[in-house]
Amino acid sequence: AQSVAQPEDQVNVAEGNPLTVKCTYSVSGNPYLFWYVQYPNRGLQFLLKYITGDNLVKGSYGFEAEFNKSQTSFHLKKPSALVSDSALYFCAGGAAGNKLTFGGGTRVLVKP
Amino acid sequence: EAGVVQSPRYKIIEKKQPVAFWCNPISGHNTLYWYRQNLGQGPELLIRYENEEAVDDSQLPKDRFSAERLKGVDSTLKIQPAELGDSAVYLCASSLDHGGRHNEQFFGPGTRLTVL
Repeated sequence: AQSVAQPEDQVNVAEGNPLTVKCTYSVSGNPYLFWYVQYPNRGLQFLLKYITGDNLVKGSYGFEAEFNKSQTSFHLKKPSALVSDSALYFCAGGAAGNKLTFGGGTRVLVKP
Repeated sequence: EAGVVQSPRYKIIEKKQPVAFWCNPISGHNTLYWYRQNLGQGPELLIRYENEEAVDDSQLPKDRFSAERLKGVDSTLKIQPAELGDSAVYLCASSLDHGGRHNEQFFGPGTRLTVL
């Protein structure tokens, strides 16, 4: 069975510092990987996705993620965090034709 | 372009009562999903439609939950009767998928259900 893990429940970072949110996956074959962000009382918003190609994927709002096949990871990164980046972040993954499995989420708190 | 529309946004019912949620996906999206999201957790798939066909309903508690997607557009999710443990946010999402490839899903704001 496929699975997605986000090992950190919460990440705290100072504004202007680099932000990393970790994600590891277990998916048969070539995975489809996504990052979504959720603000309070809102639905999930798409940030970026990896299907094939370059291991470094660039997405919305200055976010990027690095696909690492050997470590089965897809960590989300932002070089300089903003207070407005404070939200709940979800990693999701799946194989072609299968459902997406979501991680448990990581709450990001960016302090001024 | 309008996003995924869900109604109602909030619903409070007593246990054993029925409840229904409605979703209108983004125009042209062939795939529609219903997820349940418990507090502090990631969404869990209940059912996935490709056009009118339910292609994955393995996680749908079929003794009390039902769903339909008439004409391959709007969808309704029903719970009858509701139990206390059904309290959660029910999310609808849609995407434009071809040949098993996953494209990004667009989510609605969700319906927060409270069962008393």
